[in-house]
Amino acid sequence: EAQVTQNPRYLITVTGKKLTVTCSQNMNHEYMSWYRQDPGLGLRQIYYSMNVEVTDKGDVPEGYKVSRKEKRNFPLILESPSPNQTSLYFCASSLSVGASGGYTFGSGTRLTVV
Amino acid sequence: AQSVTQLDSQVPVFEEAPVELRCNYSSSVSVYLFWYVQYPNQGLQLLLKYLSGSTLVKGINGFEAEFNKSQTSFHLRKPSVHISDTAEYFCAVSDRIGTLTFGKGTMLLVSP
Repeated sequence: EAQVTQNPRYLITVTGKKLTVTCSQNMNHEYMSWYRQDPGLGLRQIYYSMNVEVTDKGDVPEGYKVSRKEKRNFPLILESPSPNQTSLYFCASSLSVGASGGYTFGSGTRLTVV
Repeated sequence: AQSVTQLDSQVPVFEEAPVELRCNYSSSVSVYLFWYVQYPNQGLQLLLKYLSGSTLVKGINGFEAEFNKSQTSFHLRKPSVHISDTAEYFCAVSDRIGTLTFGKGTMLLVSP
């Protein structure tokens, strides 16, 4: 089944403890992206990647890192999480950069930082 | 830069009534337009998209949307809603280069 897989689905952590949210797609998509969703703010892009080893900042990149060493994987790294990073995170992928087919989304990761 | 405005944060409607969810966008270039639906505790699912051609596009679950270039709008409609349509709906625009920009969402609340 074609899908984007995120892990974990739920995560509670403490301030300052490094964490990684994994994202993997099995559709050979070139474009991958991370969004965070907050009530009343919709989805805001954190980082995106147009291909392997090519990443760039989105609208809200502060406090996050990403890497794209393989085409299928696009992990999101929080080096020192803070409570304002408590949010619902989505990974998405698209066949091409132009996104004419739309994005395929993962099921989301609900992160709580205490 | 591009932006999306969803004019209503919540739309309450009775079952079997028609509904329209409004979306306006701003962009200096030609765009692709999308509507996504998010059911409770789930990810986003593509409802429909406009790339080019006919301005009326049909999607899944009986939804349709009309692209109006002069009004820079892409409103979503359904002639008769069901309880199961209760969800949050997001309008999004792509500048055809990469980034998909989302509106803040409209919560559709269908009651019996």
